[in-house]
Amino acid sequence: SQTIHQWPATLVQPVGSPLSLECTVEGTSNPNLYWYRQAAGRGLQLLFYSIGIDQISSEVPQNLSASRPQDRQFILSSKKLLLSDSGFYLCAWSEAYSNQPQHFGDGTRLSIL
Amino acid sequence: TQLLEQSPQFLSIQEGENLTVYCNSSSVFSSLQWYRQEPGEGPVLLVTVVTGGEVKKLKRLTFQFGDARKDSSLHITAAQTGDTGLYLCAGAVGFEYGNKLVFGAGTILRVKS
Repeated sequence: SQTIHQWPATLVQPVGSPLSLECTVEGTSNPNLYWYRQAAGRGLQLLFYSIGIDQISSEVPQNLSASRPQDRQFILSSKKLLLSDSGFYLCAWSEAYSNQPQHFGDGTRLSIL
Repeated sequence: TQLLEQSPQFLSIQEGENLTVYCNSSSVFSSLQWYRQEPGEGPVLLVTVVTGGEVKKLKRLTFQFGDARKDSSLHITAAQTGDTGLYLCAGAVGFEYGNKLVFGAGTILRVKS
C-alpha cells in the first residue's frame, strides 16, 4: 500500500532563517505531488504541484519554492522566512490521472518567531 | 478562479441529531471529494463523487453531487461524538496529467454527548 511521510512534524524558526520541509511517498511510481498551506481550522490553499522530476508549477506567488529531485520526493523551501509564512503545511500525492483522489501526509506545523 | 463556498462554517449539535453541510460553486468540477480532518493531522478522504446526481453512502454519511456538478452536500444521520472534526469539500479541476483541488473553507463539527 502507498504511504506518505512528512517531516518535521513541528518547526519553530526565526524570521529571516531558511526553511526545508520534506515529503516522500512510498508504494507508487510517478505520482503527482502537491504542497498546500492551511490556516487554523480552515480550508487548504494549493501552493505547488509537480507531475514529475524537476517539473514544478507554482499556484501562488510567494516567498516559498518547491523542488522534486527524485520521483517520490518533494521539498518545500525558503531562503528567508517571513512571519506570514507561519501555518500548517501539507503534502499530498495522487495517481497521475484525472479524478484520482489526493492523499495527504500528517503535515508540518511551522511557527515563525 | 474557481471558488467553493462551504456552509455552515461551524456546527455544534447534540448526539443523535442530523446535519447537512453544503458546498456550492458557480464552476463545474470534474469530481468532488470530501475529507475529514482531526487537529494536527492531514485530511483523510471520505468519498469521491464523479457523476452529476451521484449519491454515495458511507454508513451514516450520505454524499450527493449536484446534477450540474457545481455543488455537493454531506448529510450525517444520528451524529455521534466520534463524528467531531473538520469537514472539507474539494472540487477537482483537471489538467493534462491529473487534477488540482479547490477547497472549501471547511465546516467545524462538534457533536456533544
